[in-house]
Amino acid sequence: NAGVTQTPKFQVLKTGQSMTLQCAQDMNHNSMYWYRQDPGMGLRLIYYSASEGTTDKGEVPNGYNVSRLNKREFSLRLESAAPSQTSVYFCASSERVRAGGNQPQHFGDGTRLSIL
Amino acid sequence: GESVGLHLPTLSVQEGDNSIINCAYSNSASDYFIWYKQESGKGPQFIIDIRSNMDKRQGQRVTVLLNKTVKHLSLQIAATQPGDSAVYFCAENVADSSYKLIFGSGTRLLVRP
Repeated sequence: NAGVTQTPKFQVLKTGQSMTLQCAQDMNHNSMYWYRQDPGMGLRLIYYSASEGTTDKGEVPNGYNVSRLNKREFSLRLESAAPSQTSVYFCASSERVRAGGNQPQHFGDGTRLSIL
Repeated sequence: GESVGLHLPTLSVQEGDNSIINCAYSNSASDYFIWYKQESGKGPQFIIDIRSNMDKRQGQRVTVLLNKTVKHLSLQIAATQPGDSAVYFCAENVADSSYKLIFGSGTRLLVRP
């Protein structure tokens, strides 16, 4: 059982380039999330998808777009990368967003992205 | 700011001792709390959770305590082992119509052999 799989694991981009980070989960979870983690800090929510077909902004959505391709896959796109987007990006999934009780989010191992 | 985030609070304990990691959460409307463990180069790993209608929950070697009066959460690890060395994050879920998990900045646990 792979859980949450993110690709690529590492990437270096030049300012202005575009990039799509891929995420897939095999736990049949309804909800998926994208976070960024900057050095020595906690995670900040970029976008989330409560269920297939819906997406919503999180705390730091500017400069990003997302696509919930199907129930398994949730991608994050940087249209024009900036040095401020250098970070580690984590994808997560959970059983459901609300209604009946929260469930913990399960994380992938991240994509380390550097923008030069 | 950036300088605060770069210097994580660190707890150093002797192998075999108990560890207590503390977290102050921000929103009195939060109704669900989670502790995560993050090892170097890995994603956060779920340890234990607790809902706001409880004040204590136990797992295997871990206990989470919730004090809603002072908005404080703690994680107790019994008989700390070298494999427990990691950064620990608390996270809170605000009870509103949209899902939002707010993470603390983390505490680094170092276990001395």
